[in-house]
Amino acid sequence: AQSVTQLDSQVPVFEEAPVELRCNYSSSVSVYLFWYVQYPNQGLQLLLKYLSGSTLVKGINGFEAEFNKSQTSFHLRKPSVHISDTAEYFCAVSGTASKLTFGTGTRLQVTL
Amino acid sequence: GAGVSQSPSNKVTEKGKDVELRCDPISGHTALYWYRQRLGQGLEFLIYFQGNSAPDKSGLPSDRFSAERTGESVSTLTIQRTQQEDSAVYLCASSSGGSTPSTTYEQYFGPGTRLTVT
Repeated sequence: AQSVTQLDSQVPVFEEAPVELRCNYSSSVSVYLFWYVQYPNQGLQLLLKYLSGSTLVKGINGFEAEFNKSQTSFHLRKPSVHISDTAEYFCAVSGTASKLTFGTGTRLQVTL
Repeated sequence: GAGVSQSPSNKVTEKGKDVELRCDPISGHTALYWYRQRLGQGLEFLIYFQGNSAPDKSGLPSDRFSAERTGESVSTLTIQRTQQEDSAVYLCASSSGGSTPSTTYEQYFGPGTRLTVT
């Protein structure tokens, strides 16, 4: 079984500041890791994914994440956020069954 | 179509009534998933269809919940005798279900159906 922990339910940040959204997972098998974003009143959109290879993955909108197997983490980062990045961010893990197990989400609130 | 579509976008129903939610996956996608998103919580997996294989129903919370899929197209999620705790956004996703992790695991989500049980 897999589980995902997103410790921060809300992260307030000023525009142009860097941000890190934390994600830790547990799994007894090899995992595939994802970050999804949900803008207000919209469906989920894939930001980035780790399947294999380089542990640093780059996604859309300037986001990146690093897979750290020893720390079982997959934190999401952006060096400079924009107002339009305000949204709910979900970390998810998938093992061999292809269904996704999601964290509870982190609300990123960007202000001027 | 261009993306996953779901209908209705909003549904308000009285406790005890049955509801049907519909999902149209991306054309050609063999895998289809249903998730539930309760207010302030993450997404809970409900059920997974892959081609002609038996569906994975391990996430259905009770026998009031059921889902069908016609071939590799439309799916309906039915909730019988709705309860207030069923109020949530129900999300559908599809993936191509190919042989590589990239195609198997990348899921495309619909906008969801917001169900309110009064």
